[in-house]
Amino acid sequence: DADVTQTPRNRITKTGKRIMLECSQTKGHDRMYWYRQDPGLGLRLIYYSFDVKDINKGEISDGYSVSRQAQAKFSLSLESAIPNQTALYFCATSVTTGGAHNEQFFGPGTRLTVL
Amino acid sequence: RKEVEQDPGPFNVPEGATVAFNCTYSNSASQSFFWYRQDCRKEPKLLMSVYSSGNEDGRFTAQLNRASQYISLLIRDSKLSDSATYLCVVNPRAGFQKLVFGTGTRLLVSP
Repeated sequence: DADVTQTPRNRITKTGKRIMLECSQTKGHDRMYWYRQDPGLGLRLIYYSFDVKDINKGEISDGYSVSRQAQAKFSLSLESAIPNQTALYFCATSVTTGGAHNEQFFGPGTRLTVL
Repeated sequence: RKEVEQDPGPFNVPEGATVAFNCTYSNSASQSFFWYRQDCRKEPKLLMSVYSSGNEDGRFTAQLNRASQYISLLIRDSKLSDSATYLCVVNPRAGFQKLVFGTGTRLLVSP
C-alpha cells in the first residue's frame, strides 16, 4: 500500500464549482504540504502544515484553502474553481528532526482540469 | 531571477554515455540541496541529497559549489531507465524544510 495517497487521481470540473482534494498518509509524519505543478513552472508550494492546527500559506495560496483534520490527513479546497487552477496537484509529507536534509515524500498526484 | 534555475533540456544521450546537469540558485544563504527524479506523470522522488564535500551513489555524483552557487549532477554509464526529469531542489533555511524546486532537466537515454 502507498504511504501517501491522494483522492481523486483525476478530476474534471467546471468554473465556479467547489472542489476538495484529499491527502492521507500512513508514514506517521507530522509535516504535510500541498504543491501544484505546471509545465515550465515547476512545483510551487500552496500551503503547508507542521502539525494539526498549524496552517501556513505558501507562495500561491490565493484561491485555495486547507484543513488538517488529523495528523494523517490534509485536504485542499478550491472554493470556486477557475481555469487557471488546472494543474497537477501533489501532496507531500516529511518528519521533523534537527537535520536539514529531511526528505519529502510525495503522493501520486491529482490531475485537475477546470473547464 | 528565479530562485533555482535549470536548463530544461532535453538532453538526448546514448546508453553508456556520461551526462551532467547544472543548477544555479540565487539565495546565498541556502542551507541544503537535493536532486529529485520525476518520471512522466509521476510524483517526484528523492534521488540524492547534495553535501558540501560532494557525494556519490553508484553511477550518480552530486557536487555543490557554494562560491558560485551551483549544484551539479553527473550520471555515468547512462541506462534507458535513467530517462526522466531531474529536479534541482533547494532548502533556503536550515530546519525549515520549505523546499524550492527547479523546473527540471529532462533526460532521454536512447539505445
